[in-house]
Amino acid sequence: DVKVTQSSRYLVKRTGEKVFLECVQDMDHENMFWYRQDPGLGLRLIYFSYDVKMKEKGDIPEGYSVSREKKERFSLILESASTNQTSMYLCASSSPGRSGANVLTFGAGSRLTVL
Amino acid sequence: GDSVTQMEGPVTLSEEAFLTINCTYTATGYPSLFWYVQYPGEGLQLLLKATKADDKGSNKGFEATYRKETTSFHLEKGSVQVSDSAVYFCALRTLSGNNRLAFGKGNQVVVIP
Repeated sequence: DVKVTQSSRYLVKRTGEKVFLECVQDMDHENMFWYRQDPGLGLRLIYFSYDVKMKEKGDIPEGYSVSREKKERFSLILESASTNQTSMYLCASSSPGRSGANVLTFGAGSRLTVL
Repeated sequence: GDSVTQMEGPVTLSEEAFLTINCTYTATGYPSLFWYVQYPGEGLQLLLKATKADDKGSNKGFEATYRKETTSFHLEKGSVQVSDSAVYFCALRTLSGNNRLAFGKGNQVVVIP
């Protein structure tokens, strides 16, 4: 089974801190994604990457950056955390192409609280 | 742009009841459509999908039919169990490429014994 592993399930940080959320997948997938999930808003795409060192902005990239130095690892960075970034963060991966490959495999999520 | 709309509000129902969750979409062309489920404390996982008009996706007793004429992909299950309690998300694959998915806001389903 494809596994997407997010390094931290729960984090508590202070306003202004730099936060790293790590995500690793073990199925050699080209595409990786970061979403945030908020009640009443569903999932919103922050950034995605379709290759090493490649990244594209999603729908809500402000206040975030990403890094993809290796194919299996996709990091989400909050340069200066703010309280409105308190959320559940979900990482996902998929292989490219149309047939069957549109399926995203998700990690278990990282719940971040910014005080 | 491409988007998905799910019915408002949580759904509470008794075990063995019939479940319907409505999903409509707006898209250019013919997107692929998905239902994902999120069980408590877990990430999302694919429940079922359909890639063209009139296709029916099915899994674990759930079904959804891709209706092009009504731009809908409603999820149904004839007899729910307590273990079906979860959040259900409808999604479509945008035509912008790179396998981006547009998600609906999700519906919390609570099944009472």
